[in-house]
Amino acid sequence: DVVVTQSPLSLPVTLGQPASISCRSSQSLEFSDGNTYLSWFQQRPGQSPRRLIYKVSNRDSGVPDRFSGSGSGTDFTLKISRVEAEDIGVYYCMQATHWPGTFGQGTKVEIK
Amino acid sequence: QVQLLQSGAEVKRPGASVEVSCKVSGYNFKNYGITWVRQAPGQGLEWLGWISAYNGNTYYAPKVQGRLTMTTHTSASTAYMELTSLTFDDTAIYYCARDPPVVAAALRDHWGQGTLVTVSS
Repeated sequence: DVVVTQSPLSLPVTLGQPASISCRSSQSLEFSDGNTYLSWFQQRPGQSPRRLIYKVSNRDSGVPDRFSGSGSGTDFTLKISRVEAEDIGVYYCMQATHWPGTFGQGTKVEIK
Repeated sequence: QVQLLQSGAEVKRPGASVEVSCKVSGYNFKNYGITWVRQAPGQGLEWLGWISAYNGNTYYAPKVQGRLTMTTHTSASTAYMELTSLTFDDTAIYYCARDPPVVAAALRDHWGQGTLVTVSS
């Protein structure tokens, strides 16, 4: 199975400041169709996971533009340009290239 | 809008079975699959299995193979998962999520609200 590793696992942040989460996979996530299927999910306390980003850098509908994704191959990053209070929660990356998809361990974003 | 509505919380004894349903709306059920994911208290997301609402094909995680059965009722746009021989380690929130209808890049673009299954003696 493809292993997905996130860092850090805990991220204390200051409201209004940027934040960044890293995600690394044990194999390249470039698919045979030329796309790279790496997604990011947000899970607020007490809520279901919500997909924020798909195919590395595409925001889902309704996702604020302060969220951005980047990367290629095996290294990926989720950035929040200015953290707001509603961004608190756990963030997961998921490689979707190799069936059935694998989640990272999660990064808990909390207020410093 | 796409919605996945799951059945309510369950409390079961060790050794019992539990069934969770996931009724979808807002899209053609048969054009997608359903994946089941669980989250133990304070833990991350664990993929359990996938069923195609298109052709009924299934994939199960090795950890639950033999104990998990996934089915669909296409006329009711509903997917079901049944987990048997429950142990305390099966205590978790169980989620359904939309996925592709065939083995392809995972979607998980829409999720149910979750169903808490508690295994307690």
